[in-house]
Amino acid sequence: AQKVTQAQTEISVVEKEDVTLDCVYETRDTTYYLFWYKQPPSGELVFLIRRNSFDEQNEISGRYSWNFQKSTSSFNFTITASQVVDSAVYFCALSLANQAGTALIFGKGTTLSVSS
Amino acid sequence: KAGVTQTPRYLIKTRGQQVTLSCSPISGHRSVSWYQQTPGQGLQFLFEYFSETQRNKGNFPGRFSGRQFSNSRSEMNVSTLELGDSALYLCASSSRATNTGELFFGEGSRLTVL
Repeated sequence: AQKVTQAQTEISVVEKEDVTLDCVYETRDTTYYLFWYKQPPSGELVFLIRRNSFDEQNEISGRYSWNFQKSTSSFNFTITASQVVDSAVYFCALSLANQAGTALIFGKGTTLSVSS
Repeated sequence: KAGVTQTPRYLIKTRGQQVTLSCSPISGHRSVSWYQQTPGQGLQFLFEYFSETQRNKGNFPGRFSGRQFSNSRSEMNVSTLELGDSALYLCASSSRATNTGELFFGEGSRLTVL
């Protein structure tokens, strides 16, 4: 069975601190996709990044960076120099390539609070 | 480009009633999926439709059903409501036919069952 674990339920930081959100996944499939989504108070989930299981290159997008390590089944997300606008719930998710249709398996989410 | 639109945004029902939620995807998107979000269970996949066909279904009882119309708009229905059905129901659309595409989510319909 597939599973995504986000062990950190809540994280509080002060502006300009760096913060890393952890994500550990479980699957026996060899081809899969990993995602990070952000959920602001308004409710809609906003897509941040997708990674496929064959691409372990780390990625950086502005203040955001992602570290994918198949050896530890982890897909961690780092926000550098956090800002108040980064406050939200962040979800890590997994989908299987051999599955018909789009079905994401989400972790329970990490609530990030950034104070000024 | 208009985003994913869900109606109604908020609704209150009583146990035993049924409810229908609507989702209009982004223009041109043919895949629509539904998720239930609760504090206890988190985000759980309900079902996904592509070109009016249900391609995938999550582990929910038969009281939860859905459909997609030829214009890609989708509805989900919950019959014989239970207190545990209180949740935020999120709809997402995608332009891709496979799992590789990103999902665009609506703001959700918040259902309260009394």
